[in-house]
Parts: sequence; structure tokens; C-alpha cells
Amino acid sequence: QSALTQPPSASGSPGQSVTISCTGTSSDVGGYNYVSWFQQHPGKAPKLMIYAVTKRPSGVPDRFSGSKSGNTASLTVSGLQAEDEADYYCSSYAGNRVVFGGGTKLTVL
Amino acid sequence: EVQLVESGGGLVQPGGSLRLSCAASGFTFTSHWMHWVRQAAGKGLEWVSRIDEDGSTTNYADSVKGRFTISRDNAKNTVDLQMNSLRAEDTAVYYCARDLVAGSGSCQSWGQGTLVTVSS
Repeated sequence: QSALTQPPSASGSPGQSVTISCTGTSSDVGGYNYVSWFQQHPGKAPKLMIYAVTKRPSGVPDRFSGSKSGNTASLTVSGLQAEDEADYYCSSYAGNRVVFGGGTKLTVL
Repeated sequence: EVQLVESGGGLVQPGGSLRLSCAASGFTFTSHWMHWVRQAAGKGLEWVSRIDEDGSTTNYADSVKGRFTISRDNAKNTVDLQMNSLRAEDTAVYYCARDLVAGSGSCQSWGQGTLVTVSS
């Protein structure tokens, strides 16, 4: 079971926007509209930031947005803030399983 | 307030067994799929297993299929993970998580995690 492919790192300056990609196949990302994005700070449990490709749970700032095109999903963080520095993981429903991406470390310069 | 509290982690020898438990509160337990997700030290998240609202549907990652069993007790609001034939590569923090959208993996609530170490 292959993990979804994410870039290992991404960075941006405060106030800028950064986009993180998540590439899968037609059996996961491309086949269903159930891509989620999680933020994880060191030593903490993951936090759901985006679900069902584009939806934000209550309490998540609208600076975070999600999209999908074909087999690739994307998370965009606009107006970068220092507290956005964290690891980000995508996941996708894949029928009889769930698959995660390898994670992207976002650095706020 | 939604709370998920894992327990049962610890040190176990290769080939041994361990049973993790997750106690849920603050929400209608019977309305949610539940997942177990693990994370080895310094590594990414790995989905392990999920169970539907009444326990009739369970799924597993290939890496644990045949060795791990997920179950739930809706009277006690608990979800368990029975882990047999443990290997060194099963060493990780194991998180219990509540799904927001039936089985999709949109895990909105997470426990604090419990550490499982498989070593001789």
C-alpha cells in the first residue's frame, strides 16, 4: 500500500502563501472526494484542517484552503503566520482503507 | 468536550501481544466510525485500522492484517486494538481518532497517543 506523495518540505515568509501538493492515484485521491489535511506540531496529536477536499472544520482559519485536480490534491495556506510552522499530512479514503501522505514540513522564514 | 484517552501501551517482546484501549466521551459514540493511526518516532502518520458505528465493518492496513483486530463496545464507549505477533516495526505511538465523515479518514478528534515499544 503506497503512501500518497508529498514534498518533504515547503517554506514561505510571513504574509505569503504556500501550497503543498499530495499526489495519489485514481484508486484514492482521484477516485473519491475524501481528501483530508492535518497539521501536527512537535509532540502534539494531529489536527484536522481540511476534510472532503475543500471543507474546513469549525475553528480552522479561512487562511487554510483545499482543492483537487485529478489525482493531486493541494493545501494552500495564505497569509502565513509563525504558528503555521508545522508538519502537514494529507490523507485519502481508498475504499477498504485510508492512506496518508509522507508529510511536509512547512517552515515560516 | 470530546475526549479520547488511549491506554495499554508499553514494552513487549517480539512475537508478543498487547491490547490497546481508547475511552471516548463528550460525543455520541455510536454515531462515529473510529480509527487507529500510528506514528513511529520521527516518521509520518500511518493508518492502521477502522471500525464502523456498530462494529460490523472493520478494515486494516496490509502491514497489520491478520495480526491486529479492532473492536468496540458501544455500551462502554470504548474501542480496542488487539495486537498479536508484534514486530519491531510496530513500535510507534498509537492514536485513537474519531471520524467526522463515515470511514473517510477525516479524523477530527484525536487522543494523546499511547507508546508501544516492541523490543527484546
